[in-house]
Amino acid sequence: EIVLTQTPLSSPVTLGQPASISCRSSQSLVGSDGNTYLSWLQQRPGQPPRLLIYKISSRFSGVPDRFTGSGAGTDFTLKITRVEAEDVGVYYCMQFSQIPYTFGQGTKLEIK
Amino acid sequence: EVQLVESGGGSIQIGESLRLSCAASGFTVSDKYMIWVRQAPGKGLEWVSVIYGGGITLYADSVRGRFTISRDNSKNTLFLEMNRLRAEDTAVYLCAGSVETRGGFDYWGQGTLVTVSS
Repeated sequence: EIVLTQTPLSSPVTLGQPASISCRSSQSLVGSDGNTYLSWLQQRPGQPPRLLIYKISSRFSGVPDRFTGSGAGTDFTLKITRVEAEDVGVYYCMQFSQIPYTFGQGTKLEIK
Repeated sequence: EVQLVESGGGSIQIGESLRLSCAASGFTVSDKYMIWVRQAPGKGLEWVSVIYGGGITLYADSVRGRFTISRDNSKNTLFLEMNRLRAEDTAVYLCAGSVETRGGFDYWGQGTLVTVSS
C-alpha cells in the first residue's frame, strides 16, 4: 500500500500570505500508463471534498489560479500564493495510481 | 449540471446490513470511474471501493468480502451493499466520480451517515 505523508498537519497562515503543503509518497506514483494520478482535494468545514488539482498540476475547472500543484515521482506540493478566508479547511493529497487508493492524513489550514 | 446524491444511511446494529445509493445526474455512471470513500467522525478520508467503466470492482482490505459496489445503468445509480457491519464502519460515506478530468475525482456527493452500534 502506498502511504502518503503530508506536512505540515496544521498550517496557521496570515491572510494574503502564501501557504505550502507537502505530500510525500512511499513509492513512485507513475502509473502503468505513464500518468501520475496525484490529486489535491479541499474540504471546507461541513462540506464534502472538492477537487482542486489533478495529475500533479492540472487545475480543475473553476479553481482559482492562486492554487498550484507541482512535483514528480514521490514528492508533491500544493501552493497557495495568497491565502484568502475562504481557503480555510483541510487539504488532502490522494493517489489512484495503485490499488488501494490512498489519501494523506490531511493538513488543516487556518487563519492566524 | 453534474450532481451526485447519496442516500440510505442510518443507525443500525453490529452485524446488520445496509445498502447505500448514489443517484447521478448530468453524466452516465456506466462510462466513468466511480468510488466510495468514507470519513469516520473527526477523521480523514478512507477509500472504500471503485467500479471502473468496464465493470471491474476493487475494494479496500477492510471491507473486502463484506461490501459490494454495483451500479444500475437504467437508474444511473451507484450502490454500496454493506454486510456484517462493524462499529468501525461508522462514518459518512461519500460517492465520487471521475467525470470530466479522467485524472481526478472531480464530483463528490454530500455523503450519507452510517452509524453502527451495539
